[in-house]
Amino acid sequence: AQSVTQLGSHVSVSEGALVLLRCNYSSSVPPYLFWYVQYPNQGLQLLLKYTSAATLVKGINGFEAEFKKSETSFHLTKPSAHMSDAAEYFCAVSETGGFKTIFGAGTRLFVKA
Amino acid sequence: GAGVSQTPSNKVTEKGKYVELRCDPISGHTALYWYRQSLGQGPEFLIYFQGTGAADDSGLPNDRFFAVRPEGSVSTLKIQRTERGDSAVYLCASSSSSGGEGNEQFFGPGTRLTVL
Repeated sequence: AQSVTQLGSHVSVSEGALVLLRCNYSSSVPPYLFWYVQYPNQGLQLLLKYTSAATLVKGINGFEAEFKKSETSFHLTKPSAHMSDAAEYFCAVSETGGFKTIFGAGTRLFVKA
Repeated sequence: GAGVSQTPSNKVTEKGKYVELRCDPISGHTALYWYRQSLGQGPEFLIYFQGTGAADDSGLPNDRFFAVRPEGSVSTLKIQRTERGDSAVYLCASSSSSGGEGNEQFFGPGTRLTVL
């Protein structure tokens, strides 16, 4: 069965610092992997997705994630945090091309001035 | 164009009552999804439709929950005999059928259900 574990329910960084949000997945088939972001009082929106085309995936707003099969990980990074990055981030896995999708519990990112 | 819309935005009901939550997907999207998000948790998959049919309803927690999409567009999630544990934000999403490309789901704002 597919599942997602996000390490750390809360992450706090200073503005300009590296952002690293961790995600590990479990899947019985080659997965599709996603990061979604939820800004305060807004709906979820897609940040980036992995579909086996390339292991390093670039998304919106300067975020990227690297698929590491040996570690079953898909960690999200951004070199320099901005105040506007403060939001909740969800990692998700799908074994069916992005249809039935299983989400992690989320990591709330705080950015300090 | 218009995004996914959900009505009502808030619903307060009493234990044991019946509720219906509505989702209007993006025009032309053939896939539609329902999720439940409890406080401090990620979205929990309930069901998804391809057109009018439920392609996967394995996430529905029990037979009190039912969803329909009779014309392949608007969907209604129905909850019978509501319980306090049903209180959550119910999210709807839609997508095109390009599953092989890693389907992007577009989410609505959610309906906050409170069962007293």
